Amino acid sequence: DQQVKQNSPSLSVQEGRISILNCDYTNSMFDYFLWYKKYPAEGPTFLISISSIKDKNEDGRFTVFLNKSAKHLSLHIVPSQPGDSAVYFCAAGRVNAGGTSYGKLTFGQGTILTVHP
Amino acid sequence: NAGVTQTPKFRVLKTGQSMTLLCAQDMNHEYMYWYRQDPGMGLRLIHYSVGEGTTAKGEVPDGYNVSRLKKQNFLLGLESAAPSQTSVYFCASSYRTSEQYFGPGTRLTVT
Repeated sequence: DQQVKQNSPSLSVQEGRISILNCDYTNSMFDYFLWYKKYPAEGPTFLISISSIKDKNEDGRFTVFLNKSAKHLSLHIVPSQPGDSAVYFCAAGRVNAGGTSYGKLTFGQGTILTVHP
Repeated sequence: NAGVTQTPKFRVLKTGQSMTLLCAQDMNHEYMYWYRQDPGMGLRLIHYSVGEGTTAKGEVPDGYNVSRLKKQNFLLGLESAAPSQTSVYFCASSYRTSEQYFGPGTRLTVT
């Protein structure tokens, strides 16, 4: 049972335009969500995160939106740049009442983003 | 700071052979993890550790064993390799938060 799903295997965008990557989850116990970026032959690198107490988190060109009722999150990249071309993974986890993470993350399948000059 | 390092980077095994993958981190992280990445499957957690001397099973633990004898090292062992274990293996570490730092990966082929 895939608890975190990225239904779009790939996305192609023109440089300067907005890239929107989507992610759905089924486990209502998840309360912490992250996006990772991965270049070929490298490990994933952390991009941005959001707690379930928020519905938006912004960091420069990257914004993550969380819709808890729909169990859906999205990553917006504005403006998109050719260097953003990579595989993007969303991940979900749980943080207990004391603020200590259980440490385990569940990842989606990934979306390949290609930004054309 | 080297971050998270993995050795080896590449390995080819024959069915039935054994090997150990080494992960080391110099960030004094408490938590360490082993994942495998397969096409169309994302990253799946094999085993993880929340501290020195402790390990726990993840989503796909069968066929693998782990040890965490020192805080900075996390070893992943394959006792009898199978073609289904052909994959890219990533190690990660973190503090007691969910942001994990990943190593560069080990590409393993089992023939």
